[in-house]
Amino acid sequence: QVQLVQSGAEVKKPGASVKVSCKASGYTFTSYGISWVRQAPGQGLEWMGWISAYNGNTNYAQKLQGRVTMTTDTSTSTAYMELRSLRSDDTAVYYCARMKYSGYDYFDYWGQGTLVTVSS
Amino acid sequence: DIQMTQSPSSLSASVGDRVTITCRASQSISSYLNWYQQKPGKAPKLLIYAASSLQSGVPSRFSGSGSGTDFTLTISSLQPEDFATYYCQQSYSTPIFTFGPGTKVDIK
Repeated sequence: QVQLVQSGAEVKKPGASVKVSCKASGYTFTSYGISWVRQAPGQGLEWMGWISAYNGNTNYAQKLQGRVTMTTDTSTSTAYMELRSLRSDDTAVYYCARMKYSGYDYFDYWGQGTLVTVSS
Repeated sequence: DIQMTQSPSSLSASVGDRVTITCRASQSISSYLNWYQQKPGKAPKLLIYAASSLQSGVPSRFSGSGSGTDFTLTISSLQPEDFATYYCQQSYSTPIFTFGPGTKVDIK
């Protein structure tokens, strides 16, 4: 069965960086993309970016350009999201989601979420 | 950038009610519209893709319709497990996506 298992909660100070992992299993990793979505406390879903697990192509939300990097390790079927220069408003639950390419793209499986808390 | 709006932002309903949630795009997105359900403390779950296609395993009481700029998610007979927040998402500009702000459905 398809599973996306994310790394554990993190507490970071303002200005630091965080790297969240998302280990995929149950499917051919390189046949799908991975998107990252975050959710601040009590708020809605915010799409952060996408990476092709096939060739590493990326596309990031404009507001995060320059602070976020998404990568994959195909040898371990793991995707990573690194966010730098953390601010208090980066406090959120971060989700990875498998992106199915079908002409009509959508996110059909999600990780369990990783809480990142930014606090001095 | 394509902006998404949803209405209402919240609603109260009873078990057995028919519930309709509306999603509007700032420009035409054809049928590139997905719906997700999220329960507190849980990851979102895909319900509908391509505006009206039911994801495998999702109960048939959920349906989606619309094209262009206006879309609806309908729950034909609300069940206790359906109390949640619902989000629309445009995939017209893939691989750039936008979510709507969400509609919270709670118990009347």
